[in-house]
Amino acid sequence: GDSVTQMEGPVTLSEEAFLTINCTYTATGYPSLFWYVQYPGEGLQLLLKATKADDKGSNKGFEATYRKETTSFHLEKGSVQVSDSAVYFCALKKSVQGGKLIFGQGTELSVKP
Amino acid sequence: DAGVIQSPRHEVTEMGQEVTLRCKPISGHNSLFWYRQTMMRGLELLIYFNNNVPIDDSGMPEDRFSAKMPNASFSTLKIQPSEPRDSAVYFCASSWLGGDEQFFGPGTRLTVL
Repeated sequence: GDSVTQMEGPVTLSEEAFLTINCTYTATGYPSLFWYVQYPGEGLQLLLKATKADDKGSNKGFEATYRKETTSFHLEKGSVQVSDSAVYFCALKKSVQGGKLIFGQGTELSVKP
Repeated sequence: DAGVIQSPRHEVTEMGQEVTLRCKPISGHNSLFWYRQTMMRGLELLIYFNNNVPIDDSGMPEDRFSAKMPNASFSTLKIQPSEPRDSAVYFCASSWLGGDEQFFGPGTRLTVL
C-alpha cells in the first residue's frame, strides 16, 4: 500500500545551521506531496506542498522538491531558528482517495541558541 | 476567523466510561477528518466524512469507537467503553472537498486511567 517514510528524530541543530529532513514515499500514480508542521501543544498546519514532479514547494524559508525518479520530497532550510523547533510530517495524497492524507511518522527538530 | 474547534481540550476518565469528543469544522468546509496521535503509532487517520457521509472508517480501531456527523457544522467521536490504551491526542481536521490543505484543530488530550 501507499506509505511515507521519514528520517528518524530527534534532530538537534544549532541556530543558523542547515537543515535537511529526508522523506521518501511509495505510491502508485502521481500523488501530491506535503510537509506539515506541529508546534508544541498545537495541531498540524500546512508548511508547503508540491503537486507534480519537479515542482518545488516553499514557505518561511523552507523548501522541498518533488523528485519522482527517487520518490523523495526532502525538506530543507538554509538557516534554522529556535522558533523552527517543532515536529515535521511528510504526507502524500492521491486524488482517487478523496481527501485522505497518508502521513509519515514525524521528525522532531530541536534548534538550540 | 475561527479555526477548527474541538472540545474538551483535556479529558481524564476511568476505564469503562464513555467518552465523547466534539468537533466543529471551519464553516464552508465539507470534508472532516478524525486522527489519533500517540508516541508509539504516530498520527493515524481514524475516519473521514465528505458532505457529512462517512467515506473511509478503516482506521477505526474496533467497535468501541464510533463517529457521527449529523450536520455540516458538528461531529462527534465516541469511545464506549474506554480503555487505557485509548489514551492519546485526538485531532479533528477539515477541508474543502478534495482540497489539498487540511486545517487541524488544537486536539483533545485523552487520558484513560
